[in-house]
Amino acid sequence: GAVVSQHPSWVICKSGTSVKIECRSLDFQATTMFWYRQFPKQSLMLMATSNEGSKATYEQGVEKDKFLINHASLTLSTLTVTSAHPEDSSFYICSALQDNQPQHFGDGTRLSIL
Amino acid sequence: DAKTTQPTSMDCAEGRAANLPCNHSTISGNEYVYWYRQIHSQGPQYIIHGLKNNETNEMASLIITEDRKSSTLILPHATLRDTAVYYCIVRSFPYSGAGSYQLTFGKGTKLSVIP
Repeated sequence: GAVVSQHPSWVICKSGTSVKIECRSLDFQATTMFWYRQFPKQSLMLMATSNEGSKATYEQGVEKDKFLINHASLTLSTLTVTSAHPEDSSFYICSALQDNQPQHFGDGTRLSIL
Repeated sequence: DAKTTQPTSMDCAEGRAANLPCNHSTISGNEYVYWYRQIHSQGPQYIIHGLKNNETNEMASLIITEDRKSSTLILPHATLRDTAVYYCIVRSFPYSGAGSYQLTFGKGTKLSVIP
């Protein structure tokens, strides 16, 4: 089945640093990729939608200058959390979509900001 | 997209069938029903989807009522590894633009499979 790889799976960093998370579709070309965030005991919340070669579309309340998304190819999207602070600590999950197939998700990145 | 209603939690004995209900009374004619599950500390896993006919795959069966206002996901022989939060999501099809590809997750049903 479709495989989406997310890296790193876990990261701890100091407040004020930037963190990059990669999302790759391993066996298919993703026309669209999505980034979600999940706080403890809550459901997934969509942050942004990205299409290869175009600017990402951010959901209301998500700062585009803080959460930089780059979708440089049909198999890779990156999310960079800039100047991260403790309140940005969360579980970040990407998903990838090919044409009219169901979305497939990565295993998530647990981000902890000290 | 139509909203869904699911029980907060359910228990199921190991080896028994797990039947997870979902109400989507405001579903419209071009909306599909999708089921995903999320095992603790992992990303959601696609299970199955359907429009109006019952569907079956290697993981589960999906039963959609004739009026399409509700559906049931059936795990025929639940194992301990099926313990997870199960999400029922309704989404329109065919896609009309980037925004309509998205999935909106509710709170889901926490299924606990008991030995």
